[in-house]
Amino acid sequence: ILNVEQSPQSLHVQEGDSTNFTCSFPSSNFYALHWYRWETAKSPEALFVMTLNGDEKKKGRISATLNTKEGYSYLYIKGSQPEDSATYLCAFKQAGTALIFGKGTTLSVSS
Amino acid sequence: DVKVTQSSRYLVKRTGEKVFLECVQDMDHENMFWYRQDPGLGLRLIYFSYDVKMKEKGDIPEGYSVSREKKERFSLILESASTNQTSMYLCASSLGLGSLTQYFGPGTRLLVL
Repeated sequence: ILNVEQSPQSLHVQEGDSTNFTCSFPSSNFYALHWYRWETAKSPEALFVMTLNGDEKKKGRISATLNTKEGYSYLYIKGSQPEDSATYLCAFKQAGTALIFGKGTTLSVSS
Repeated sequence: DVKVTQSSRYLVKRTGEKVFLECVQDMDHENMFWYRQDPGLGLRLIYFSYDVKMKEKGDIPEGYSVSREKKERFSLILESASTNQTSMYLCASSLGLGSLTQYFGPGTRLLVL
């Protein structure tokens, strides 16, 4: 059974802090790694889709890196803001399979 | 912008009732998905469809069925609702073969009494 692990499960930071989360996934038959942001009472929203080892993606203050050989991805948030409070989901895909989601990291940012 | 809508945000049903959850997408996407999300667990795939009238079982199809008669609409059916089907149900769609990003609806929180 394929497993996607996210850590930490939750964290609380102060406004202005930078933070990062980890997603671990099987390193075999890699096809893609997704990051989604899920705010309360809203739809999960795609942040990044990464397909190549060494990929780095950036969207504003949020960035992500990918290491397919060792099976991990990091999501970084620089200068956290209260509006960054959400659950961040990563999802892993092998060729020919459906997405497998991790349990998510719930971020709370206090002003 | 892609829009995925779900028929209800909240639903309360009784054990044994037949329940229909509807999902509609407006971007001509080929693939549609139904997930459920429970506390402490990741999103789990129930069923997906890659074309009209086609369906594939996901990881947890037991107790559910689906229908896709039109490209834009994908229905999840609970033939006889049970309390262990109380959950948040999310619908998603994606463009087609090779397309990776999934676009999600807002979710339906179902309570089965």
